[in-house]
Amino acid sequence: KAGVTQTPRYLIKTRGQQVTLSCSPISGHRSVSWYQQTPGQGLQFLFEYFSETQRNKGNFPGRFSGRQFSNSRSEMNVSTLELGDSALYLCASSLVSQGAQDTQYFGPGTRLTVL
Amino acid sequence: AQKITQTQPGMFVQEKEAVTLDCTYDTSDPSYGLFWYKQPSSGEMIFLIYQGSYDQQNATEGRYSLNFQKARKSANLVISASQLGDSAMYFCAMRENTGRRALTFGSGTRLQVQP
Repeated sequence: KAGVTQTPRYLIKTRGQQVTLSCSPISGHRSVSWYQQTPGQGLQFLFEYFSETQRNKGNFPGRFSGRQFSNSRSEMNVSTLELGDSALYLCASSLVSQGAQDTQYFGPGTRLTVL
Repeated sequence: AQKITQTQPGMFVQEKEAVTLDCTYDTSDPSYGLFWYKQPSSGEMIFLIYQGSYDQQNATEGRYSLNFQKARKSANLVISASQLGDSAMYFCAMRENTGRRALTFGSGTRLQVQP
């Protein structure tokens, strides 16, 4: 079974631009979560989608948004990019959206650099 | 609020030896899950092992085992017979059964296996 895929793997943007990242979950997985990883803040939760609905959201400004499609694929968008948005963005998928034991499987990440 | 603490920023181990990576957690939820992930330099987070708060036995997965001490709120990862390919960042993470479903990660431990 194919793992979580993320595109693109690398991205370079300039301040003020916007960017869209894509994530395809493991087949059959309906929950997709997004995380931001930076050297200073570590791994931080952005949001989670299940059945095309945002179920949870982390403490990020409204410039960060996402959506999920009927095939469970998800996109996240960052508008008006800032230098501090440079990070590794990780997508994770899991079977369902309940229970502490539902394991999240991660993709390879998209490394975003904002100049 | 849930919190994960990894006090070892870096660890060295000789090939074929065992190593223990420390993790302590804090939560008021009686039902939670603890996870360990490995992140090689490529960036992908690889799921290693899971322990549920109500599990009576310590989890094991091949060369990985989890030393779960609930009263001490610790969930240390033990890697037996270390291999050069085990060199990576290791993250401990927790999810509570109620409320937000996001994984909360520790700051990670960089393990270097020496030949």
